[in-house]
Amino acid sequence: DAGVIQSPRHEVTEMGQEVTLRCKPISGHNSLFWYRQTMMRGLELLIYFNNNVPIDDSGMPEDRFSAKMPNASFSTLKIQPSEPRDSAVYFCASSLFGQTSEQYFGPGTRLTVT
Amino acid sequence: QQQVKQSPQSLIVQKGGISIINCAYENTAFDYFPWYQQFPGKGPALLIAIRPDVSEKKEGRFTISFNKSAKQFSLHIMDSQPGDSATYFCAAHNDYKLSFGAGTTVTVRA
Repeated sequence: DAGVIQSPRHEVTEMGQEVTLRCKPISGHNSLFWYRQTMMRGLELLIYFNNNVPIDDSGMPEDRFSAKMPNASFSTLKIQPSEPRDSAVYFCASSLFGQTSEQYFGPGTRLTVT
Repeated sequence: QQQVKQSPQSLIVQKGGISIINCAYENTAFDYFPWYQQFPGKGPALLIAIRPDVSEKKEGRFTISFNKSAKQFSLHIMDSQPGDSATYFCAAHNDYKLSFGAGTTVTVRA
């Protein structure tokens, strides 16, 4: 079975540019999470969707960050405009609703903003 | 502030040895305690997990020990192998959130 799919795997962009990260959750999973991982702050939850509806976006660092989930099989995380401090690895994870204790992570997108 | 405190930050163990990673928490509302294993360039993968009404859980060479009164739990890797070299994260679940520890990088020397 395919796990969580993320694209691109690596993204290098210049400060001020728009960046869009993509995620396809595991089929049948109706909870989706976006995380950011940095050496300084570890794994941070950015936003949580349940049944395509954003439930908790309190972890989104600034208005420059936005996330959407137009359907059960696709989500995007957009940064506009990007800044060097956004450089991190961004993970998408999914789970069954009611089993959010067991989240399955994608391979991540390594973002570098120069 | 970090809700789950993890130690040590890193450890080196000889092949065949035991690796022990410790975590502590304060929030008594946590209801599930998973451990994740992460290899370089990969996402965290669920390794083993325990509920707070159980004191120990063993899966192969991996064992979680849980002390509810002390609000501490630990991961033991028995007969450590070079393939176990990875970063390990403890986590605690409440509602829909996982709070992660800072991670422990384990290096197993052959």
